Amino acid sequence: AQRVTQPEKLLSVFKGAPVELKCNYSYSGSPELFWYVQYSRQRLQLLLRHISRESIKGFTADLNKGETSFHLKKPFAQEEDSAMYYCALSVSGGYNKLIFGAGTRLAVHP
Amino acid sequence: NAGVTQTPKFQVLKTGQSMTLQCAQDMNHNSMYWYRQDPGMGLRLIYYSASEGTTDKGEVPNGYNVSRLNKREFSLRLESAAPSQTSVYFCASSLGLLYSSTDTQYFGPGTRLTVL
Repeated sequence: AQRVTQPEKLLSVFKGAPVELKCNYSYSGSPELFWYVQYSRQRLQLLLRHISRESIKGFTADLNKGETSFHLKKPFAQEEDSAMYYCALSVSGGYNKLIFGAGTRLAVHP
Repeated sequence: NAGVTQTPKFQVLKTGQSMTLQCAQDMNHNSMYWYRQDPGMGLRLIYYSASEGTTDKGEVPNGYNVSRLNKREFSLRLESAAPSQTSVYFCASSLGLLYSSTDTQYFGPGTRLTVL
């Protein structure tokens, strides 16, 4: 079965601390993985995708097929990073049907 | 550009009532999607439309119908609302690229629906 698991509902850190939001997936095919973010009073938006291998707002995520993980990391958290983060898996092999994890709320305290 | 717009923003229904949630996009996207978001469950795909004239079931289609009215508009209808359909509903659109890894979904602001 296709599934995305985000084990932490809430991650609370202090400003400047490292952050790692965990994401594990279950999928028999070749995974396409994304991180979406929803800031307070804003729309859900794409943060990054694994195929781009880029850093967005200081965040990076590496696909580890052996561990079936796609954890989101940032070395020094900022208060403006506080948001809801969703890991998503595309299972279509064609059209972009996404399976989302339950989400992790990141709270960065001053 | 407004991006993806949804109406209404809030709605309260009684069990058994019907209603249609409207979604429109002005980005000339081919694909459109309806999701529901429930506490602790993330977003789940209800229906999607890969291109104008086509619709397909997603993960949780029961109790819903959709219409891709034209390229811009994709509506979601609840024929007989049930309390289990209390949720936040999000519409999204994307170019509908062949390779999903490069396709980006853009989301609307959501509709908060309560069924009593």
